[in-house]
Amino acid sequence: DAKTTQPTSMDCAEGRAANLPCNHSTISGNEYVYWYRQIHSQGPQYIIHGLKNNETNEMASLIITEDRKSSTLILPHATLRDTAVYYCIVRVVQGAQKLVFGQGTRLTINP
Amino acid sequence: EPEVTQTPSHQVTQMGQEVILRCVPISNHLYFYWYRQILGQKVEFLVSFYNNEISEKSEIFDDQFSVERPDGSNFTLKIRSTKLEDSAMYFCASSTGAGQETQYFGPGTRLLVL
Repeated sequence: DAKTTQPTSMDCAEGRAANLPCNHSTISGNEYVYWYRQIHSQGPQYIIHGLKNNETNEMASLIITEDRKSSTLILPHATLRDTAVYYCIVRVVQGAQKLVFGQGTRLTINP
Repeated sequence: EPEVTQTPSHQVTQMGQEVILRCVPISNHLYFYWYRQILGQKVEFLVSFYNNEISEKSEIFDDQFSVERPDGSNFTLKIRSTKLEDSAMYFCASSTGAGQETQYFGPGTRLLVL
C-alpha cells in the first residue's frame, strides 16, 4: 500500500470548515483513498473513501487531485465532537485486506 | 444502524494467563479482523479471517494468538499466555468483502496485563 503523509496536528474554529490534507504521491491506479477518524480511544470510525472522483456524504467531502497524488478531507461545519485523530489510508482494491494506519492528523476544534 | 460490538470493554489479567476477547461482527459481513493499539501508538493490524480460515496475519500475530468463529455470530481472539507487552486496546472489525469494502470497527477491549 502506498505511503501517506499528513500534518501531525491542526486546529479549526467551531463552525468553520476543517480541511485536512493528505499526500499520497506513490498511489497506484487500483488504490482507493480512505479516511477514518478515532475519537479519544474509541474504535476507528469510517468517514469516506474515493478512487478518483470527488465524493460527499453526510459526514464529509473528499477532494482528490486530478493526478491523485493528494487529497483533502473537508468537514464543512466542524463541531467540538469532530475533535479526533484523522487517518488517511490508501488501499489496494484487491489482494491485501488490512488497513495500514499511520500517525494521522490530530484535529482540535476550538470553541 | 448495525454495529460491531465487543466484550468485555475492559479486561485485567495476570501475566501468563489466557484471555479471550469477544466480538460480534455486523450480521451480513463475511470478513473479520483484529487490530490492536498500544497506548500512544498506531493502530496495528493483527489478523484477517474469512470462510473459517486466516486469510492474512501480521508478524505480531504469533503462536500465542489464535482466532475462532465458534458460532454464527461471535468472533474471538485468544491470547494463550499473556505478556506485559500485550497490554493494549484490541479492536475487532468486519466488512462485507475484501478489497475496497469498508471495514467497520467495534469500540474495543482495553486489556491490561499485570
